[in-house]
Amino acid sequence: DGGITQSPKYLFRKEGQNVTLSCEQNLNHDAMYWYRQDPGQGLRLIYYSQIVNDFQKGDIAEGYSVSREKKESFPLTVTSAQKNPTAFYLCASSGTLYNEQFFGPGTRLTVL
Amino acid sequence: RKEVEQDPGPFNVPEGATVAFNCTYSNSASQSFFWYRQDCRKEPKLLMSVYSSGNEDGRFTAQLNRASQYISLLIRDSKLSDSATYLCGLKYDAGGTSYGKLTFGQGTILTVHP
Repeated sequence: DGGITQSPKYLFRKEGQNVTLSCEQNLNHDAMYWYRQDPGQGLRLIYYSQIVNDFQKGDIAEGYSVSREKKESFPLTVTSAQKNPTAFYLCASSGTLYNEQFFGPGTRLTVL
Repeated sequence: RKEVEQDPGPFNVPEGATVAFNCTYSNSASQSFFWYRQDCRKEPKLLMSVYSSGNEDGRFTAQLNRASQYISLLIRDSKLSDSATYLCGLKYDAGGTSYGKLTFGQGTILTVHP
């Protein structure tokens, strides 16, 4: 089946640790995105990538890093510099930046 | 003023009711508009894109009013399964630093009761 997968579904991290969230898509989409959602809030854009080996900061990029070495994959690293990382992280993709975005099932990150 | 604003609700309606949500936006350069549905603790799912001429999909109708800078979603004959949070999203299709960025409202909660 075509779609977007994220792993893990739940992730617990100690303060001061870096963690990497996985996002894979087999939709042959060029564009991929990372969002963060806090309780009762809308989605805020962290990073996005229009094409392989290229990515741009979104509205809240501080404390996060990404890479786009393969078209199918867009991992997000939450670094220790992110002061309040506990949130629901959603990855999305679209054919191009013009097209509708489709979301993966998300990763819930909790910092202990 | 926020880029995108929605009435957070909650909207509590009986089955069979008609309910409408609005979403206002501040940047007139916005070009593409979308409605997403998000169930509790799940990812948003695309409900429909919003076209300039308005569009309908079964019980759902989306409208765009560029002059007043808002989009709307109308749900007719509400079902229990329509209970969810409805997010509006807008995208800038012109060039510049906002190109391709999809901005969301905070969502409107709908609860349909028997």
